Amino acid sequence: DADVTQTPRNRITKTGKRIMLECSQTKGHDRMYWYRQDPGLGLRLIYYSFDVKDINKGEISDGYSVSRQAQAKFSLSLESAIPNQTALYFCATSENDENRGHNEQFFGPGTRLTVL
Amino acid sequence: RKEVEQDPGPFNVPEGATVAFNCTYSNSASQSFFWYRQDCRKEPKLLMSVYSSGNEDGRFTAQLNRASQYISLLIRDSKLSDSATYLCAVRESGAGGTSYGKLTFGQGTILTVHP
Repeated sequence: DADVTQTPRNRITKTGKRIMLECSQTKGHDRMYWYRQDPGLGLRLIYYSFDVKDINKGEISDGYSVSRQAQAKFSLSLESAIPNQTALYFCATSENDENRGHNEQFFGPGTRLTVL
Repeated sequence: RKEVEQDPGPFNVPEGATVAFNCTYSNSASQSFFWYRQDCRKEPKLLMSVYSSGNEDGRFTAQLNRASQYISLLIRDSKLSDSATYLCAVRESGAGGTSYGKLTFGQGTILTVHP
C-alpha cells in the first residue's frame, strides 16, 4: 500500500462548488504539505502543517483552506471553486527532525482537479 | 525574479549523451538543496540531495555553487529511462538556523532521451 494517498484522484466540478481533497499518510510524519502544479510554474506551496492543528500559509493560500485534525490526515478545501484553480494538486509529508536538514519530502500520487 | 529558476527546456538528447541542468536561487540564506525527478502525470520523487562538496550517485552528479547561487545536475551516459522532468528544490533557513522543511521548487526542466 502507498504511504501517502490522495482522494479523489480526479475530479471535475463547476464554478462555485465546494471541494475537499483528502490526504492520508502511514509514514508517521508530523509535517504535511499541499502543493499545486501548473504547466510552466512548477510546484507552489498552498499550506503546510508541522503538527496536528498547526496551520501555516504558503505561497498561494488565497481561495483555499486546510484542516489537520489528526497526524495522518491533512485536507484541502476550495470553498468556492473557480476555473483558475484547475491544476494538479499534490500532498507531501516529511519528518520533523531539525537535525536532518536534508530530510526528504514524500509526495502522494496527486489529484487532478478541473473546474468548469 | 523568481526565488528558484530553471531552464524549462525541453532538452532532447540521444542515448549515451551527457546532459547538464542548472538551477539558480535568489536567497543567499538558503540551506538545503535537492533534485527531484517527476515522470509524466506522476508525483515528484527525490533523486538526490545536493551537498556542499558535491556528490555523485552512479551516473548522476550534483554540484552546489554558493558564491554564484546555483546548483547543477549532470547526467552521464543518458538512458531512455532518464526521460522525465527534473525539479530543483531549495530550503531556506528558519529562525535560529533551524529548517522549517518548507521547500521552494523550480518550474522543472524537461528531458527527453531518444534512441
